[in-house]
Amino acid sequence: TQLLEQSPQFLSIQEGENLTVYCNSSSVFSSLQWYRQEPGEGPVLLVTVVTGGEVKKLKRLTFQFGDARKDSSLHITAAQPGDTGLYLCAGAKSGNTPLVFGKGTRLSVIA
Amino acid sequence: DAMVIQNPRYQVTQFGKPVTLSCSQTLNHNVMYWYQQKSSQAPKLLFHYYDKDFNNEADTPDNFQSRRPNTSFCFLDIRSPGLGDAAMYLCATSRSTGGRLNTEAFFGQGTRLTVV
Repeated sequence: TQLLEQSPQFLSIQEGENLTVYCNSSSVFSSLQWYRQEPGEGPVLLVTVVTGGEVKKLKRLTFQFGDARKDSSLHITAAQPGDTGLYLCAGAKSGNTPLVFGKGTRLSVIA
Repeated sequence: DAMVIQNPRYQVTQFGKPVTLSCSQTLNHNVMYWYQQKSSQAPKLLFHYYDKDFNNEADTPDNFQSRRPNTSFCFLDIRSPGLGDAAMYLCATSRSTGGRLNTEAFFGQGTRLTVV
């Protein structure tokens, strides 16, 4: 059983389109993180959200943490080919438990 | 400059032949993690060191061992690699205090292990 479910699993869009990917769980998390991983590389941290309802923006990326701290979303505005990669969400259920990862959403932005 | 460095980037080993993967960090972080990531799957935590304390995940096979001789270095030893152990192995670090682990993790580039 996957603790963090990410959807969609694959997404292919044209440059300039908007998209949203989701990270859902039945468990409450003390924090959630989003990472981007390119082929053959390690994940790179994009953002950490810790407060229910929190919204963080990173240029064209908007991250939201659900009010109940069970889910999160990542919205990308005007996607660019450089956004291509595997987007992973990761969460910790408490302060002294390691991060667990979702399977990720593989995004392809076509020029 | 790379802050978490994994060597080698690619490793080919024979079935049953012990292999060691290495990780070094320049961040002076007190926590180091080893994850296994198979194709199209989530990274799966194998174990982590909080300072010198070793924490093994319950479902990590005995075939996997780790050593952390000092703050900067951590090794993953696979005693008898099987075909199912072929994967990307990711090392990560974080700075944690008060026993808290849910802090930002910095990953190395990974070592892709092939077992023949």
